[in-house]
Amino acid sequence: QQQVKQSPQSLIVQKGGISIINCAYENTAFDYFPWYQQFPGKGPALLIAIRPDVSEKKEGRFTISFNKSAKQFSLHIMDSQPGDSATYFCAASKGEYGNKLVFGAGTILRVKS
Amino acid sequence: GAGVSQTPSNKVTEKGKYVELRCDPISGHTALYWYRQSLGQGPEFLIYFQGTGAADDSGLPNDRFFAVRPEGSVSTLKIQRTERGDSAVYLCASSYGLSGTDTQYFGPGTRLTVL
Repeated sequence: QQQVKQSPQSLIVQKGGISIINCAYENTAFDYFPWYQQFPGKGPALLIAIRPDVSEKKEGRFTISFNKSAKQFSLHIMDSQPGDSATYFCAASKGEYGNKLVFGAGTILRVKS
Repeated sequence: GAGVSQTPSNKVTEKGKYVELRCDPISGHTALYWYRQSLGQGPEFLIYFQGTGAADDSGLPNDRFFAVRPEGSVSTLKIQRTERGDSAVYLCASSYGLSGTDTQYFGPGTRLTVL
């Protein structure tokens, strides 16, 4: 059962453009939504995370938008750079004591210079 | 400081063999997680340790998979009678606290190939 659905599978963006990746979840018990960035041969690294009590969180060029009623959240990368080329995973957890992360299938982002 | 380390980085084995994968978490981190990442997919949860005990092993696919963390630091994932379907990257993560919102720091993974 895929509890977190991510789209698109792949994305090509011009340098300086905006990259947008979307995720939808099913389990209303989820209350912690991180985004991870993964480069080839490396483990995922936390990029930014949000709790459902806010609708948006911004850190530098990265913004999470959250729509609790639609059970959707998205990652926006402003002024995309070639160094942003990586695989991005959305995830969700119940945020409670030691709970595991449920990941989306990933989006391969390529930023063309 | 040092991040999460995993050894070996690559492991090739034959069907039916036994393998052990090791994870060294960040020093002082209480929680340790194992995930499995198949090609083109996101990581899937296997097991979580709080200290020495397995707090949640609901993601282990069957009884061929077992993990230990005897001293509350290093963990070993053990796979018996390996099958070709076990081929994947096995990721370890650790976090300082026990809350589900504490950042999980991932290691680079062990790529397991079962021939």
